Amino acid sequence: GEDVEQSLFLSVREGDSSVINCTYTDSSSTYLYWYKQEPGAGLQLLTYIFSNMDMKQDQRLTVLLNKKDKHLSLRIADTQTGDSAIYFCAEFMDTGRRALTFGSGTRLQVQP
Amino acid sequence: NAGVTQTPKFQVLKTGQSMTLQCAQDMNHNSMYWYRQDPGMGLRLIYYSASEGTTDKGEVPNGYNVSRLNKREFSLRLESAAPSQTSVYFCASIHSGNTGELFFGEGSRLTVL
Repeated sequence: GEDVEQSLFLSVREGDSSVINCTYTDSSSTYLYWYKQEPGAGLQLLTYIFSNMDMKQDQRLTVLLNKKDKHLSLRIADTQTGDSAIYFCAEFMDTGRRALTFGSGTRLQVQP
Repeated sequence: NAGVTQTPKFQVLKTGQSMTLQCAQDMNHNSMYWYRQDPGMGLRLIYYSASEGTTDKGEVPNGYNVSRLNKREFSLRLESAAPSQTSVYFCASIHSGNTGELFFGEGSRLTVL
């Protein structure tokens, strides 16, 4: 999506932490999301954060939101080979077009 | 519980041929969407239907038409396929008022020769 940007590739070693970054442009976004796509499958929701929050933690996942800089990040602690996938950030606005706008996706490769 | 079902999963067309991608959801969701996924470009919204009886253009609607046949079904039609429409197509649905958890089908891989 033209309004949401991500780097295309990240490689980490098993057990390390992964940080996937995303920038968005629309300050009226009300919700921001991280989706995961495994090979040959559709997307599955990993986690989401409301725009009035700074941080959300869910087991190994930590989402940080810097609304001033329009920057969203996903940290995966103790990354496992099963975490290898494409990760998409997405934004949703409550007004106008009620649909998610996705970034281009970051391919995470976890090396054993 | 099937969730979102798309057919066909794979299709090869010749330029100029027409076809319809079918999508059905059994979760009583109000809103349904068609996205296409191309390498390095993420998912781009083609059309969406906020509720039964309504459809709206998304980011890349040219060359496509849609029909919201009923609450369950949302089809995507290519009237005259072009090689630029070679892509993986995903149907998704969500219940209005939900916090954005789209439920996706498994995708339909379309190749236009």
